[in-house]
Amino acid sequence: KAGVTQTPRYLIKTRGQQVTLSCSPISGHRSVSWYQQTPGQGLQFLFEYFSETQRNKGNFPGRFSGRQFSNSRSEMNVSTLELGDSALYLCASSLQQGVNSPLHFGNGTRLTVT
Amino acid sequence: QKEVEQNSGPLSVPEGAIASLNCTYSDRGSQSFFWYRQYSGKSPELIMSIYSNGDKEDGRFTAQLNKASQYVSLLIRDSQPSDSATYLCAVYREAGTALIFGKGTTLSVSS
Repeated sequence: KAGVTQTPRYLIKTRGQQVTLSCSPISGHRSVSWYQQTPGQGLQFLFEYFSETQRNKGNFPGRFSGRQFSNSRSEMNVSTLELGDSALYLCASSLQQGVNSPLHFGNGTRLTVT
Repeated sequence: QKEVEQNSGPLSVPEGAIASLNCTYSDRGSQSFFWYRQYSGKSPELIMSIYSNGDKEDGRFTAQLNKASQYVSLLIRDSQPSDSATYLCAVYREAGTALIFGKGTTLSVSS
């Protein structure tokens, strides 16, 4: 079974631009979560989608948004990029939304903002 | 107090020794607990899950949970250099909430 697929793997953007990252979950998985990982803050939760609805949201500004499509694929968007947005963005999928569903991560998108 | 706390390390053990990784969490209502391993430059990989008090063994790995003490640990027996990685503890606070991660403990196994 194919794992979680994230595209692109690497991105270099300039301050003020916007970016869209894509995630395809494991086949049959309906929940998709997004995390930002930086050396100083570790893995920080951005948001979770299930059945095309945002179910949970982390403590990030409104510049960070996402959506989920009917086939469970998800995208996240960051507008008006700042230098501090440079990070590894990880997508993870799980079978269901809930406490007994472990997350399975993709390889991530490395975003560099210059 | 952070929701999920781990010692950042590095924790250094010789090959063949037992590595003990610890994690505490703040929400007494937390229900599900996971350990992930992350190699440098790679994404986190699920290695253990535990839901009830006690021990759960899987090969060289044993997860231990004590809800009364709000403590979860991971023991790695017969540590190998290939176990050198960052180990992340993750906790679901309650139903329908997000999976929250600690900052991870870096383990170094020397041959």
